Amino acid sequence: NAGVTQTPKFRVLKTGQSMTLLCAQDMNHEYMYWYRQDPGMGLRLIHYSVGEGTTAKGEVPDGYNVSRLKKQNFLLGLESAAPSQTSVYFCASSYLGLARNTQYFGPGTRLTVL
Amino acid sequence: TQLLEQSPQFLSIQEGENLTVYCNSSSVFSSLQWYRQEPGEGPVLLVTVVTGGEVKKLKRLTFQFGDARKDSSLHITAAQPGDTGLYLCAGEPGNQFYFGTGTSLTVIP
Repeated sequence: NAGVTQTPKFRVLKTGQSMTLLCAQDMNHEYMYWYRQDPGMGLRLIHYSVGEGTTAKGEVPDGYNVSRLKKQNFLLGLESAAPSQTSVYFCASSYLGLARNTQYFGPGTRLTVL
Repeated sequence: TQLLEQSPQFLSIQEGENLTVYCNSSSVFSSLQWYRQEPGEGPVLLVTVVTGGEVKKLKRLTFQFGDARKDSSLHITAAQPGDTGLYLCAGEPGNQFYFGTGTSLTVIP
């Protein structure tokens, strides 16, 4: 099992460009999440999904969109990148919901917006 | 303002020393989790504490959930270089999940 994988690992964008981050999991988990990690801020939840075809907003959803067309994939889109979106992005999945269940994280995507 | 405040933010100690990391909030949590993150990797779950006053041990790591379920602590006995990493607490006070601000621990051989 590969667990949770993220593509790409690194990306540099210019302000206004768009891109999509791909997250894939092979553990048949229902729940998937996208976080961003900034120094001194811990991880902040952007969007999450409780199952195929569903998405919901997290703590910091503005400027991002997501889609969960297949159970194993969760896509994070930036339509018009801004320097404030420079961060490390982590995807995670869990069998059941948060709080008492283990989240399995991918290795992260380091995004720089110039 | 962060919902979960961790202290200290940075900690550098010698191998063999003991240390405690704190996770505090004004909100009540049904449970709290502790994760460890190594450079270039995603966080990995260490433990989940559920009951107020609960104490859980994981080898040299001791986790405690406050009686009022608003805070938690992580105590490491005889720290080793392999304990180096970012320690994060996390929990869900309502319908959102939050991570703490993190404590970066460096254990010097």
